[in-house]
Amino acid sequence: DQQVKQNSPSLSVQEGRISILNCDYTNSMFDYFLWYKKYPAEGPTFLISISSIKDKNEDGRFTVFLNKSAKHLSLHIVPSQPGDSAVYFCAARAGATNKLIFGTGTLLAVQP
Amino acid sequence: DAMVIQNPRYQVTQFGKPVTLSCSQTLNHNVMYWYQQKSSQAPKLLFHYYDKDFNNEADTPDNFQSRRPNTSFCFLDIRSPGLGDAAMYLCATSEYPDITGYEQYFGPGTRLTVT
Repeated sequence: DQQVKQNSPSLSVQEGRISILNCDYTNSMFDYFLWYKKYPAEGPTFLISISSIKDKNEDGRFTVFLNKSAKHLSLHIVPSQPGDSAVYFCAARAGATNKLIFGTGTLLAVQP
Repeated sequence: DAMVIQNPRYQVTQFGKPVTLSCSQTLNHNVMYWYQQKSSQAPKLLFHYYDKDFNNEADTPDNFQSRRPNTSFCFLDIRSPGLGDAAMYLCATSEYPDITGYEQYFGPGTRLTVT
């Protein structure tokens, strides 16, 4: 049973436009959410996170929005750059265990 | 630079032949994790260590074992690899978790091929 779902396997965006990556979850006990970025042949790199007590967190070009009632979060990248082309994983944590449940990832392609 | 290092990056083993993957870290983190990631799937936690305390996931096959001789090193042993064990194996580290959460830092992974 997939508790964290990324329903879009891929997304293509023009350089300079906004990229929106979506993630849905089913477990209401999740209290912390993270986004990771992964280039080919490298491990995932932490990008941005949000606590369940917040609904928005921003870091430069990256903003994560959390809608707890809908059990939905999204990552906005604006403006998108070709170097942002990578696989993006959404992950969620239940309680203070720091065990992360990952989604299957979305491949973002930013076209020059 | 502080980092998580995995060796080898690529490993080929024969069906049924034991194999060991290694992970080291210079971050001095207390918690270390092993994940398995198959193609187009989410990384799946196999087990993790809080210091030397070993925590196995309920659905991790007995074929997978781990050792953590000290803070810096952690090993993944696959006793009798099957074709279904071919995957990317990711090592990660973190501080102790608290209510604010700590992110996990990943190594580059070891791509395991079973022939």
